[in-house]
Amino acid sequence: DTGVSQNPRHKITKRGQNVTFRCDPISEHNRLYWYRQTLGQGPEFLTYFQNEAQLEKSRLLSDRFSAERPKGSFSTLEIQRTEQGDSAMYLCASSTAFWTGYHEQYFGPGTRLTVT
Amino acid sequence: SQQGEEDPQALSIQEGENATMNCSYKTSINNLQWYRQNSGRGLVHLILIRSNEREKHSGRLRVTLDTSKKSSSLLITASRAADTASYFCATLKTSGSRLTFGEGTQLTVNP
Repeated sequence: DTGVSQNPRHKITKRGQNVTFRCDPISEHNRLYWYRQTLGQGPEFLTYFQNEAQLEKSRLLSDRFSAERPKGSFSTLEIQRTEQGDSAMYLCASSTAFWTGYHEQYFGPGTRLTVT
Repeated sequence: SQQGEEDPQALSIQEGENATMNCSYKTSINNLQWYRQNSGRGLVHLILIRSNEREKHSGRLRVTLDTSKKSSSLLITASRAADTASYFCATLKTSGSRLTFGEGTQLTVNP
């Protein structure tokens, strides 16, 4: 399978616990994005990487959230001290960067987080 | 209100009919993309239209873009029950790399 993969697909955790999600992008894609989607809403941008550099972070990404892409391949998103409001689908996407800016982003299946 | 607002929020049609969804946005864009999402699943990219394009076709999909009105429409012709899903438009701003999504249109195609 050459698509974007995410693990785990589902995560149930208790409030206050830390969780970590992993995203493996399409192998030749140098850009990787994280989005969050709550029920009935469209995805909201969290952050993106070009290779290993984190180029932009949304104000939604509080200091409890951290994302890494250490070797410019897979990425992890960690949420510390989870809150019930963190319950959502966390989506990862990847794309190639062209100077023309015409980016198609390919999404993974998402990790559904439930904080109890 | 957020960039990329879809209209209508929900649409229910019979199989074989055409479905039209609209999207409005507020800022300058580099391109506009439409995605489909089946319940509880990831997003599937459908079609991308660049800011200098006015219309694009892909199979049963037709997308139009009017940059003067900051609006786009997605037409699905000869709909099928399998087209039942949420459809989102997403804009890529001229200066940025993030996609900004609307709240989506929930399409139900009844067999």
